[in-house]
Amino acid sequence: KNEVEQSPQNLTAQEGEFITINCSYSVGISALHWLQQHPGGGIVSLFMLSSGKKKHGRLIATINIQEKHSSLHITASHPRDSAVYICAAAWTGNQFYFGTGTSLTVIP
Amino acid sequence: DTGVSQDPRHKITKRGQNVTFRCDPISEHNRLYWYRQTLGQGPEFLTYFQNEAQLEKSRLLSDRFSAERPKGSFSTLEIQRTEQGDSAMYLCASSLGFSGNTIYFGEGSWLTVV
Repeated sequence: KNEVEQSPQNLTAQEGEFITINCSYSVGISALHWLQQHPGGGIVSLFMLSSGKKKHGRLIATINIQEKHSSLHITASHPRDSAVYICAAAWTGNQFYFGTGTSLTVIP
Repeated sequence: DTGVSQDPRHKITKRGQNVTFRCDPISEHNRLYWYRQTLGQGPEFLTYFQNEAQLEKSRLLSDRFSAERPKGSFSTLEIQRTEQGDSAMYLCASSLGFSGNTIYFGEGSWLTVV
């Protein structure tokens, strides 16, 4: 069964803190996506990973294929990072399965 | 191209009425997905198209739900005889090729059934 689990569900951090959000999945995938969703619904794709590590600004995403695990890190967090972060796993030829999301609040 | 657009953004309807949502994907994208999202949950897959062919439908998609993509461009999602449990945000997304490529989401269409 294809399952995607995220932790934590909710996260509150002080501005400047280093943040880690975790995602694990049940079976091998072709790609894993990290998405950001702001209040009101719009979803933006942050990263698409099939192996290794990607960095964009203060955001870093890593994936360990053997352990079926991915992490999203935010360095020097800022209140504008407050959003819901969702991981989505893709299996070859098929559609995406989403985690339930991590709601992040960064306090000034 | 301005990305994936959805219309309407918000819809309030009475129970039993039919509603239709439209999605315009990024023009060169051959894959189009529909998802449903309720508060506090991640998106749940409903169905997806490759060009005009509907390749997969979730068991969530009851007989009251139908989706089309007649010319392989825009898509519609119709809900007949709406129920209060249909209240959710309906998200459309598109991508080029298979799921290993970046997926682009619309802003979503909020449905409230009263």
